[in-house]
Amino acid sequence: DAGITQSPRHKVTETGTPVTLRCHQTENHRYMYWYRQDPGHGLRLIHYSYGVKDTDKGEVSDGYSVSRSKTEDFLLTLESATSSQTSVYFCAISETPPQVHTEAFFGQGTRLTVV
Amino acid sequence: KQEVTQIPAALSVPEGENLVLNCSFTDSAIYNLQWFRQDPGKGLTSLLLIQSSQREQTSGRLNASLDKSSGRSTLYIAASQPGDSATYLCAPTGANNLFFGTGTRLTVIP
Repeated sequence: DAGITQSPRHKVTETGTPVTLRCHQTENHRYMYWYRQDPGHGLRLIHYSYGVKDTDKGEVSDGYSVSRSKTEDFLLTLESATSSQTSVYFCAISETPPQVHTEAFFGQGTRLTVV
Repeated sequence: KQEVTQIPAALSVPEGENLVLNCSFTDSAIYNLQWFRQDPGKGLTSLLLIQSSQREQTSGRLNASLDKSSGRSTLYIAASQPGDSATYLCAPTGANNLFFGTGTRLTVIP
């Protein structure tokens, strides 16, 4: 298994509170991604990173921010959590950009519930 | 916007059967296509990656084909086993993203 660790694995938080999810990799891959998975939807891209301090928005980025200060860590922050952000969040990594793709590898997911 | 459809949504087969899972996508301008399996409450495990210039890729009992021009990919599983029970996801790849359907939930009955 690719060395990807997501933390926490489960979290319950209240509406309006800030939440940070962490993705840590030991593969030294340049590209990192945050996806969310919801019933009735495929996984959808929130943000991605193509290097330290280099990030860009994905399909469903509203309400989320990210930071990447080190190659191995990619943080996803919900500035003020809402019930619509209740979801399972997955981190993924890849060695190369999607257009010259080697495989993408996924973490085990973080189940976030906003009450 | 890339739309990915996987048919059937759920499939139940007896052990030993060969089966085919279907994936269709609306935008043929993809770079690659990756097949994953997802076990309940778990992350995604990569099964096969087909480069856009390839027609098929094989790994053990799995064979995936890609027809980019028609926007279709199939995953063939030979001699299915109960351990193959999972949700299977296909993901065509754009410039900065993998696009996912909702998957096919496979149950292999012993």
